[in-house]
Amino acid sequence: KNEVEQSPQNLTAQEGEFITINCSYSVGISALHWLQQHPGGGIVSLFMLSSGKKKHGRLIATINIQEKHSSLHITASHPRDSAVYICAVGLNNDMRFGAGTRLTVKP
Amino acid sequence: DTAVSQTPKYLVTQMGNDKSIKCEQNLGHDTMYWYKQDSKKFLKIMFSYNNKELIINETVPNRFSPKSPDKAHLNLHINSLELGDSAVYFCASSQGGALSYEQYFGPGTRLTVT
Repeated sequence: KNEVEQSPQNLTAQEGEFITINCSYSVGISALHWLQQHPGGGIVSLFMLSSGKKKHGRLIATINIQEKHSSLHITASHPRDSAVYICAVGLNNDMRFGAGTRLTVKP
Repeated sequence: DTAVSQTPKYLVTQMGNDKSIKCEQNLGHDTMYWYKQDSKKFLKIMFSYNNKELIINETVPNRFSPKSPDKAHLNLHINSLELGDSAVYFCASSQGGALSYEQYFGPGTRLTVT
């Protein structure tokens, strides 16, 4: 069993829908990262969280340290949000990755 | 200005060869990393390095070695390439270490070993 579990594995939404991607982890962490991998392969860091909630534009990330759970929300989704979203947890110099959630937003 | 750059973008080579992938960052970051993304798109950290300390993931074969001529560069050398080394390799950097800082990724190098 992977130490970082993401759900769902695949997600298809209509443009404008509210999206939630979940991440659960089983190890102690110093920080949790949400990454976006574009269809072309490039990786962009969206958020780095150690507690609470962060917001960038239409993206919101939350983390509950006690429950070892994080969520990534996308409001008013758009086809350009189509990508793979990856949750990763860092502790000291080790990083463990989830398998990713493939999001497709249809116009 | 590209923040983290890698060369080459594609690398096709035969088993047994030795190859290098170069990585440069112009962000002034202290820490750099190498990641491997396998055919199932699963990412794994290989190395983290700052000017004081190299941390190696214990699962990485010793055929892989990072070399850092200065703080802005972390190159990846691979000896005696094997078929299983085929993957996309990403370089990244961050302001600090311990994976508690935002990471900036390079565009990736697709390595194919035939």
